[in-house]
Amino acid sequence: NAGVTQTPKFQVLKTGQSMTLQCAQDMNHEYMSWYRQDPGMGLRLIHYSVGAGITDQGEVPNGYNVSRSTTEDFPLRLLSAAPSQTSVYFCASSERPTGDYGYTFGSGTRLTVV
Amino acid sequence: GESVGLHLPTLSVQEGDNSIINCAYSNSASDYFIWYKQESGKGPQFIIDIRSNMDKRQGQRVTVLLNKTVKHLSLQIAATQPGDSAVYFCAEIRKTSYDKVIFGPGTSLSVIP
Repeated sequence: NAGVTQTPKFQVLKTGQSMTLQCAQDMNHEYMSWYRQDPGMGLRLIHYSVGAGITDQGEVPNGYNVSRSTTEDFPLRLLSAAPSQTSVYFCASSERPTGDYGYTFGSGTRLTVV
Repeated sequence: GESVGLHLPTLSVQEGDNSIINCAYSNSASDYFIWYKQESGKGPQFIIDIRSNMDKRQGQRVTVLLNKTVKHLSLQIAATQPGDSAVYFCAEIRKTSYDKVIFGPGTSLSVIP
C-alpha cells in the first residue's frame, strides 16, 4: 500500500521554465490537494480537488495549474517558474474534504528556482 | 527582495520527560482539530484529532487538550523518546468549509538522550 506518491523528490529549475509535479494515490480517496511549505510558515493550500474532473483554487493559486482526470492522479503544473516558488510542495489526500482522520501526505518535492 | 526564513519555536526535553506543545488557533468557528508530526525530510503524519464538542482526547502516549474559551490547543507527549523529535503542528478545520483548513507554523521538538 503506497499511500501518496510524489515525484520528483528534488528539482532545480531556471526562472521561466515549466514543469509538472506528479502526485498519485492508491487509496481511492476523492479529495486531493496541493500545499506549499515555506520556512516558519504553515502549509498553504494551492489547489484542491473533490473528485475527478473537479478542481478549485486554494489560498495561493497564482502561477500553478492543476487537473484531475482520474481519481488517482493530481498533477501540479508550474507554468513559468519564479524564485518565489522555491518551496517544498506536498500533495495530500483524504476520504472526505474535511479531512476526517486527517490527510495522508506524500513525502514532498523540494523545488529550487534559480 | 530576498526573504529571510523564520525560525520555528523550539522545545528541548530530556528523554523520558513529558512534553507539552501548544497551539493557538485563529477561528472560533473551527470545529475539528488535528495534530500532525513531521520528521525531517518527510511529509506530515496524523497523530490525533479532537472535535469541538470535546475538551480532551487520549491516544497512545499522546493527549490533546482543547480550550475553546481561549482558542488554545495542546499536545502532551508522555515519556518522550528520541523518535519523537520532529516538528509538530496543529490544523484547524471548519467542517462546512473544507478549503479553510488552517495549519499552524509548528514547534520543533528536540529530545535530549
